[in-house]
Amino acid sequence: AQKITQTQPGMFVQEKEAVTLDCTYDTSDQSYGLFWYKQPSSGEMIFLIYQGSYDEQNATEGRYSLNFQKARKSANLVISASQLGDSAMYFCAMREGIGGSSYKLIFGSGTRLLVRP
Amino acid sequence: GAGVSQSPSNKVTEKGKDVELRCDPISGHTALYWYRQSLGQGLEFLIYFQGNSAPDKSGLPSDRFSAERTGGSVSTLTIQRTQQEDSAVYLCASSLDRGARQPQHFGDGTRLSIL
Repeated sequence: AQKITQTQPGMFVQEKEAVTLDCTYDTSDQSYGLFWYKQPSSGEMIFLIYQGSYDEQNATEGRYSLNFQKARKSANLVISASQLGDSAMYFCAMREGIGGSSYKLIFGSGTRLLVRP
Repeated sequence: GAGVSQSPSNKVTEKGKDVELRCDPISGHTALYWYRQSLGQGLEFLIYFQGNSAPDKSGLPSDRFSAERTGGSVSTLTIQRTQQEDSAVYLCASSLDRGARQPQHFGDGTRLSIL
């Protein structure tokens, strides 16, 4: 069974500082993909960043970067220079094996980030 | 361009009634997904449609839940004889295709409350 674990239910960060949100996963597949989504209080799910299991470099997308450690099965999200608008729930998700017949995402329980001014 | 559109945004109904939730995916997206999010929880996969292929219904919690996708575009999720545990936000997502790197783009969801 595949599983995503986010061990930090809530996090605080000071505005303009960097913050790391943890995500570990469990899979027996060799090919998989990892996603991070942001969910503000308004409820929409916003795609942030993607990391493929065979990608040689860590993904980056503006202020977002992914610290991918394959041997440890971790895919932590790093947000640099935090902004007040970064306050939201953050979900880590994994897509099942690339050769599978379904591409459903399996989500973690989320981390609520609060950016302090 | 327009994102994933879901309707209604909110639905309150009595236990035992049937409900229909609608999803209009991004134009040109062939893959469509339904998820459910209970209060304070992550998302739970329900069903997946890809083109004309048979849907993956492995996440549907009971036979009271069904979904269809007409003409490869709009999808309807139907819950029959609703129960209070069905109360949740139902989110629809679409992606360009089933490519591994394709992100799923979500609608704003339908908040369903069963009295």
